[in-house]
Amino acid sequence: NFMLTQPHSVSESPGKTVTISCTRSSGSIASNYVQWYQQRPGSSPTTVIYEDNQRPSGVPDRFSGSIDSSSNSASLTISGLKTEDEADYYCQSYDSSNPVVFGGGTKLTVL
Amino acid sequence: EVQLVESGGGLVQPGGSLRLSCAASGFTFSSYWMHWVRQAPGKGLVWVSRINSDGSSTSYADSVKGRFTISRDNAKNTLYLQMNSLRAEDTAVYYCARAYEDIDYWGQGTLVTVSS
Repeated sequence: NFMLTQPHSVSESPGKTVTISCTRSSGSIASNYVQWYQQRPGSSPTTVIYEDNQRPSGVPDRFSGSIDSSSNSASLTISGLKTEDEADYYCQSYDSSNPVVFGGGTKLTVL
Repeated sequence: EVQLVESGGGLVQPGGSLRLSCAASGFTFSSYWMHWVRQAPGKGLVWVSRINSDGSSTSYADSVKGRFTISRDNAKNTLYLQMNSLRAEDTAVYYCARAYEDIDYWGQGTLVTVSS
């Protein structure tokens, strides 16, 4: 089984850019798509990035996703931070033996 | 509009059973795989189980294998999770989630509390 490791928390000021990493412990990050979910306090998760770098309709283009094979990691970048972006963010991927694997989540504070 | 509405959560004693339901609307339920994902209080998301679109194939996390059973009724647009031999560590909000290739929509969740 592989794991996805995220930083426990990140913080940044409004208007700035923040990047959240998600490192895969074994197997190639490029082998299976990575999704990112946003969970605001008291709410259920919503998709902000799917298939590594695709944004669902309605998600602002301030959100972008990428993968880096050299570090075997995926990243979620949020530019022009707004207070409404304050939330927990989870990466998710899979392989042939593990249908769904979530990262531990990153708490984003916009202060 | 896609809607997933869970129900059936509540307080149950250790060793007890509970059946969760997830009523789907706003999309062709029978075309999608479905998942259950749980979240213990203050903790992260953990995948529990999935079922394919016609119900013929299921998968489970090791932590619930042999105790939980996922099923669906495509005629009723409803997903189920039968939970037996419940333990304190099963306490969590349980979300149902829709997936075509990947999970895209989530329900609002139902809280299951296992305690004496």
